[in-house]
Amino acid sequence: EVQLVESGGGLIQPGGSLRLSCAASGFTVSSNYLGWVRQTPGQGLEWVSVIYSDDSTYDADFVKGRFTISRDNSKNTLYLQMNSLRAEDTAVYYCARRAAYTSNWGLYFDLWGRGTLVTVSS
Amino acid sequence: EIVLTQSPATLSLSPGERATLSCRASQSVSSYLAWYQQKPGQAPRLLIYDASNRATGIPARFSGSGSGTDFTLTIGSLEPEDFAIYYCQHRTNWPPITFGQGTRLEIK
Repeated sequence: EVQLVESGGGLIQPGGSLRLSCAASGFTVSSNYLGWVRQTPGQGLEWVSVIYSDDSTYDADFVKGRFTISRDNSKNTLYLQMNSLRAEDTAVYYCARRAAYTSNWGLYFDLWGRGTLVTVSS
Repeated sequence: EIVLTQSPATLSLSPGERATLSCRASQSVSSYLAWYQQKPGQAPRLLIYDASNRATGIPARFSGSGSGTDFTLTIGSLEPEDFAIYYCQHRTNWPPITFGQGTRLEIK
């Protein structure tokens, strides 16, 4: 079955660190664009980070220098290392895969995990 | 940075009616726009990509149109399972991905 399964969320104090994992099955992470999107409680969607198949990475301005996206091809897993966490980082974090059948410039997500909740609070 | 503005914020309709949702970009995004549906407790689902193409497995009652700055998602005849929140998303140089704030489609 083709799916993404996130893990690693939880309660963390402000200033702390957390690493989210996203295990992929049914496809290889190395040949796909993958990203993290978050959703604060009761709010909309917010793009966080993306990694392309050529290993280039891009992060939203509000996480630059604090979050790092990476992947381990041997484990077929995507990661998000989150440092210096703030209360405003509290959200459900989704990992997602780019739809490969769209236009070359298109960057839309056709496969999503169920999300993992990160709560930053003292 | 391009801003996507969705309207209306909430749309109240009955099953069987036609729904028209709007997404307006602050600058042209050509046709690089997608629509997602999200139900409570679920991840978003890709409906439309590149403005007017249905994603795999999406029913024909969903259609997208527009280019440049004005886009529309139309649901031809609402089914009970269509009541959800809908987001538009564009793809550009920077930031590469931006979402609109969403339109809640609720049962009247």
